Amino acid sequence: SQQGEEDPQALSIQEGENATMNCSYKTSINNLQWYRQNSGRGLVHLILIRSNEREKHSGRLRVTLDTSKKSSSLLITASRAADTASYFCATALANAGGTSYGKLTFGQGTILTVHP
Amino acid sequence: NAGVMQNPRHLVRRRGQEARLRCSPMKGHSHVYWYRQLPEEGLKFMVYLQKENIIDESGMPKERFSAEFPKEGPSILRIQQVVRGDSAAYFCASSPRTANGYTFGSGTRLTVV
Repeated sequence: SQQGEEDPQALSIQEGENATMNCSYKTSINNLQWYRQNSGRGLVHLILIRSNEREKHSGRLRVTLDTSKKSSSLLITASRAADTASYFCATALANAGGTSYGKLTFGQGTILTVHP
Repeated sequence: NAGVMQNPRHLVRRRGQEARLRCSPMKGHSHVYWYRQLPEEGLKFMVYLQKENIIDESGMPKERFSAEFPKEGPSILRIQQVVRGDSAAYFCASSPRTANGYTFGSGTRLTVV
């Protein structure tokens, strides 16, 4: 399996509920990022969490990182219909010096549908 | 700040033709990345460039594909002798430093007929 795999593949919830998406990866990372993609559009950067951080918040988003389990989760609280999109995690690998390398490795994404 | 500009948004080419995809990074960003997205899939890294340098092209097919980021002008992804399997969305992203949150363009959707 590849670096950066999201779970579940698809998630369908009602407006107001919380949505949790998970991401697992295989190798040491410098940072992990979450992106959102609306159908047929480009990706929008949501949040970046560094390997020495455990949790980060941005508005209704909460990201956790567990480097011992090589996993991350994205929580969207009080979801809205406008949150309907695909969500991708992406990892930036650490090079020998421990800094980030450049390219990101994306997972297959979670398709989130929020029903009004 | 116009963001990352990609053109064209849609490109249709017949098999065997050449496709040229352009990307102008955000002002102040010197790192450019190209990714390809097949339908219902995540993005796959193709190439990472800085001005006049290819830093990492490990994701580029060995034949028919090339990329450049000249001193002046946009980055260009060039696909020669396109085949149907090249049909995909090609996204460009830029960043001010390596692998900190990218800014993505809206993509070029290439259709090979």
